Amino acid sequence: AQTVTQSQPEMSVQEAETVTLSCTYDTSESDYYLFWYKQPPSRQMILVIRQEAYKQQNATENRFSVNFQKAAKSFSLKISDSQLGDAAMYFCAYRSSDYNQGGKLIFGQGTELSVKP
Amino acid sequence: DTEVTQTPKHLVMGMTNKKSLKCEQHMGHRAMYWYKQKAKKPPELMFVYSYEKLSINESVPSRFSPECPNSSLLNLHLHALQPEDSALYLCASSRTGDSEQYFGPGTRLTVT
Repeated sequence: AQTVTQSQPEMSVQEAETVTLSCTYDTSESDYYLFWYKQPPSRQMILVIRQEAYKQQNATENRFSVNFQKAAKSFSLKISDSQLGDAAMYFCAYRSSDYNQGGKLIFGQGTELSVKP
Repeated sequence: DTEVTQTPKHLVMGMTNKKSLKCEQHMGHRAMYWYKQKAKKPPELMFVYSYEKLSINESVPSRFSPECPNSSLLNLHLHALQPEDSALYLCASSRTGDSEQYFGPGTRLTVT
C-alpha cells in the first residue's frame, strides 16, 4: 500500500520570502502521479501543481515549483515570493497509474502554512 | 467552465432526518468522487463513480447512499446519520479515472 508523509504540521513564512514544504511517499510502483493541493480557510481544495513520475523535469507553475527526487521518494513544494493569499493548508497527494485503483488520491496529513506581513 | 458546484453549502440535520447532497459539473468529466473531511485532516475517499457506474466504495456505512443520475450529476443521500458523521463533504471530478481531480467547495454537514 502507498503512503504519503508530510512531516511539518505547521510552517510560517514572511511575505515575499521563499518557503519549502516537505513530502515523502512510499510505493513499489514505478509509474504514478504526485500533486500538491491547497485548501484555504474558504475550504475549497485547489490543485497547485502536478508531477508525473516518468518525467524527470520538475514541474513549475508561476511561483510554485517542486523538487521531485524519485529515488529518494521525495516531492517538496517551493513557494517563491510568498503572498498573504498563500496562507492555507497544503496537502501532498499520490495517485497510482493503475486504472483499477479508480483514481484514488492518497493524501498526506497536511502542512498549515501561515504568511506574516 | 472548470467548476464543480455543490449544494447546499451548509446543512444541519437530526439523526432521524433524510437529506441529500448534490454535486454538479459541466466539464464533461466522466469520473466523480465523494470525500469526507474532518477539521485539520486530509480528505478521506468514500465513493468513486466512473462512467456513471459505482467503481469504488471505501466500506462506507449504508446510511450514506450515492447516486449518479447522469454524467454531470452526483448525489449523496443521507439517512439516520450519527453526530460523528458531521464533517465537510467534498465532491470532485476528473476527466477520466486517471486525470487530476477538481474539487467543489464542499457541504458543511452538522448532525444533531
